[in-house]
Amino acid sequence: QSVLTQPPSAPGTPGQRVTISCSGSSANIGSNTVNWYQQLPGTAPKLLIYSNNQRPSGVPDRFSGSRSGTSASLAISGLRSEDEADYYCAAWDDSLNGHLVFGTGTKVTVL
Amino acid sequence: QVQLQESGPGLVKPSQTLSLTCTVSGGSISSGSYYWSWIRQPAGKGLEWIGRIYTSGSTNYNPSLKSRVTISLDTANNQFSLMLSSMTAADTAVYYCARKSGSPVRGYYFDHWGQGTLVSVSS
Repeated sequence: QSVLTQPPSAPGTPGQRVTISCSGSSANIGSNTVNWYQQLPGTAPKLLIYSNNQRPSGVPDRFSGSRSGTSASLAISGLRSEDEADYYCAAWDDSLNGHLVFGTGTKVTVL
Repeated sequence: QVQLQESGPGLVKPSQTLSLTCTVSGGSISSGSYYWSWIRQPAGKGLEWIGRIYTSGSTNYNPSLKSRVTISLDTANNQFSLMLSSMTAADTAVYYCARKSGSPVRGYYFDHWGQGTLVSVSS
């Protein structure tokens, strides 16, 4: 029962810039920071962006995040074949005594 | 380097209770300000947060699962566990354990994940 909405797919060609949106509400994105996770096929998710726009050590600067109001976005510039994966946004939701919500997920395909 | 590893039955019968354990190595489960969490993912679908337990023992659960979930800490063995009762086919999924780090200022995020364990519900 995801309450963060993402587009199901985001295709792109090598070198292109791809943007993924994450739409929420005042109870989640509007009040709390957003994180992004990358899930390569058959593997556990990996932290890609935390606190809206911060990259953990080791994550290339081709990945960037932003938040505005009740929406967030992830941008991948200089798309590479190894970026083909599922991407999920996540944020704490203050309703119902507080709980974490994930986005519906976006499959990035490198054409 | 902190590592997490899930363990438990791969097959559970309908109506039974699932019990999974996450063993943490490379750091103490009772030190630091961490949330120890469970997340699941049905095949071909998205991630669903199940719940978390703080190092103090306080818990938060997904409202949709709250009546069936219990998460607990076993500091002696550096483990935390998930119990999910009244299992149905809809609970078939890969179950991940994860550590949540951060701060009130920077926010909180999952920085370490287990590899996941597939749990199927079938008679």
